[in-house]
Amino acid sequence: DAGITQSPRHKVTETGTPVTLRCHQTENHRYMYWYRQDPGHGLRLIHYSYGVKDTDKGEVSDGYSVSRSKTEDFLLTLESATSSQTSVYFCAIADAGTGELFFGEGSRLTVL
Amino acid sequence: SQQGEEDPQALSIQEGENATMNCSYKTSINNLQWYRQNSGRGLVHLILIRSNEREKHSGRLRVTLDTSKKSSSLLITASRAADTASYFCATGAAGNKLTFGGGTRVLVKP
Repeated sequence: DAGITQSPRHKVTETGTPVTLRCHQTENHRYMYWYRQDPGHGLRLIHYSYGVKDTDKGEVSDGYSVSRSKTEDFLLTLESATSSQTSVYFCAIADAGTGELFFGEGSRLTVL
Repeated sequence: SQQGEEDPQALSIQEGENATMNCSYKTSINNLQWYRQNSGRGLVHLILIRSNEREKHSGRLRVTLDTSKKSSSLLITASRAADTASYFCATGAAGNKLTFGGGTRVLVKP
């Protein structure tokens, strides 16, 4: 398995609270991604990173911010969680040579 | 909106039969990839086909790509119960970003 872990794996929080999800890799890959998966929408890209301190928005970035201060860690923050952000969040890393993505096991977030 | 759209949304077959699913996309691509997702798990890469390739094989998987029609198909031959999963196509363009379709849920009945 690719060395990628997400934490927490499950979280229940209340509307208006901040939430941070962490993605950690041991593969030293340059590219890291955060996707969300919802029924009927497949996976949608939230933000991605192409290096330390280099990040860019995906198609559903509103309400989310990211940070990458080290190659191995990519953090996704919901500054003020809303019920519409209830979802399963997947982190992925990319093999820049093949373009193949390796996914974490997901973080299930419920916002009440 | 999603770049790739899979068809059908769901597929139910008997073990031993072949399963075929299709993916259509809208804009130019560098490559197209197929992933499998077992229930409650992350996605796993199956196969990548580049825009200058027309067909690719990997074990029981066969992928075709028709860039003139902006479509791809994934064929799983001699399906097994373990092939029960959701299958997603993903299109790659510049910038190492992949855009995923909504997926096809495949049920293989023993």
